[in-house]
Amino acid sequence: QVQLVESGGGVVQPGRSLRLSCAASGFTFSSYGMHWVRQAPGKGLEWVAIVSYDGRTKYYAESVKGRFTISRDNSKNTLYLEMNSLSAEDTAVYYCANTLSEYFQHWGQGTLVTVSS
Amino acid sequence: EIVLTQSPPTLSLSPGERATLSCRASQSVSNFLAWYQQKPGQAPRLLIYDASNRATGVPARFSGSGSGTDFTLTISSLEPEDVAIYYCQQRSNWPPLTFGGGTKVEIK
Repeated sequence: QVQLVESGGGVVQPGRSLRLSCAASGFTFSSYGMHWVRQAPGKGLEWVAIVSYDGRTKYYAESVKGRFTISRDNSKNTLYLEMNSLSAEDTAVYYCANTLSEYFQHWGQGTLVTVSS
Repeated sequence: EIVLTQSPPTLSLSPGERATLSCRASQSVSNFLAWYQQKPGQAPRLLIYDASNRATGVPARFSGSGSGTDFTLTISSLEPEDVAIYYCQQRSNWPPLTFGGGTKVEIK
């Protein structure tokens, strides 16, 4: 079955960087676009970024554009999110999900990022 | 950016009752709308896509309808395990992909 397992979350100071990973299994990873979606504590869902199946096309939410970079390694079935210049507003659970025509078909369990001094 | 407004914020019903959740878009999204269920402490789950298509494994008591700017998720007979927050999401005009603010379904 499809499995998406995020890792790399933790507590980080404002202004610092963090890299999240999402390990995929149970489907042909290289055939699907992939997303990051986040959820601040007690809040709703916010789309963060998408990368195409081949890694060539990427789009970002305005709130993270220029600070976050989405990428993938199809040889390792892994999705990444490089997050720079983090602020308290970036505190959230970060989910990876595969795309089904720009819907979010399968989700990981999420990894919590807390930005705090 | 397309804004999705969900109502009501909270729905409190008894088991077996019919639940009707609404999602209104700030401009037409055609039928490019999905619904997700998020149970406490869990990741969201895709329920409905393209307004009315049930995702794999979704019980038949869940149905979606609507087009343009007004959409409805119906739970025909509420079960205790349906307690969750339900979100709508559009893919008509992106980026960004946007979500509604959610409707919390409770059991009386």
